[in-house]
Amino acid sequence: DTGVSQDPRHKITKRGQNVTFRCDPISEHNRLYWYRQTLGQGPEFLTYFQNEAQLEKSRLLSDRFSAERPKGSFSTLEIQRTEQGDSAMYLCASSLAAGARFEQYFGPGTRLTVT
Amino acid sequence: AQSVAQPEDQVNVAEGNPLTVKCTYSVSGNPYLFWYVQYPNRGLQFLLKYITGDNLVKGSYGFEAEFNKSQTSFHLKKPSALVSDSALYFCAVREGEEGGSQGNLIFGKGTKLSVKP
Repeated sequence: DTGVSQDPRHKITKRGQNVTFRCDPISEHNRLYWYRQTLGQGPEFLTYFQNEAQLEKSRLLSDRFSAERPKGSFSTLEIQRTEQGDSAMYLCASSLAAGARFEQYFGPGTRLTVT
Repeated sequence: AQSVAQPEDQVNVAEGNPLTVKCTYSVSGNPYLFWYVQYPNRGLQFLLKYITGDNLVKGSYGFEAEFNKSQTSFHLKKPSALVSDSALYFCAVREGEEGGSQGNLIFGKGTKLSVKP
């Protein structure tokens, strides 16, 4: 499968714990995006990388959230001191920067439940 | 500010009938418009996009969408619905790169399509 993959698919954690999610984009894609989706809502943009550079962060991304993309390949999203309000589906997407096919392709998501 | 509105939470259609899922948008520059579909416990799947050119764009699974600049709309259509089309549909917009957009998408809240046999 050459699509976007995310790990884990599900994560249950207790409030106050740290969690880390991983995203592996489509190999030739140089752009990588993180979104958050809550029940009954569309995905909301969190942050974006072009290669290894983090170029944009949403105001939704509090100081407890950090993302990395070392070497411009896979990316990790870490949430520190989780809160119940962090419970959501975290989606990763990747795309080409330009050209005819620059639509974003999404992974299956990581569903986070904070108890 | 960019925004997307999907005015219907749910659309019910009988199998074989045409379907329309509505979307209106607001951007300050030229819009890039997208439709995605989400099946239960799965990620979003790309259906089609409008960037420029012909206002009627065709996509996967027999879906098409019509861009209407004057009405700022991008409605999703299919001539004959299938039960397997039942899913959650999201419209999304971004500004073109000439507007300084970095490419992040703004999504609507989604419309649940239910196709009954």
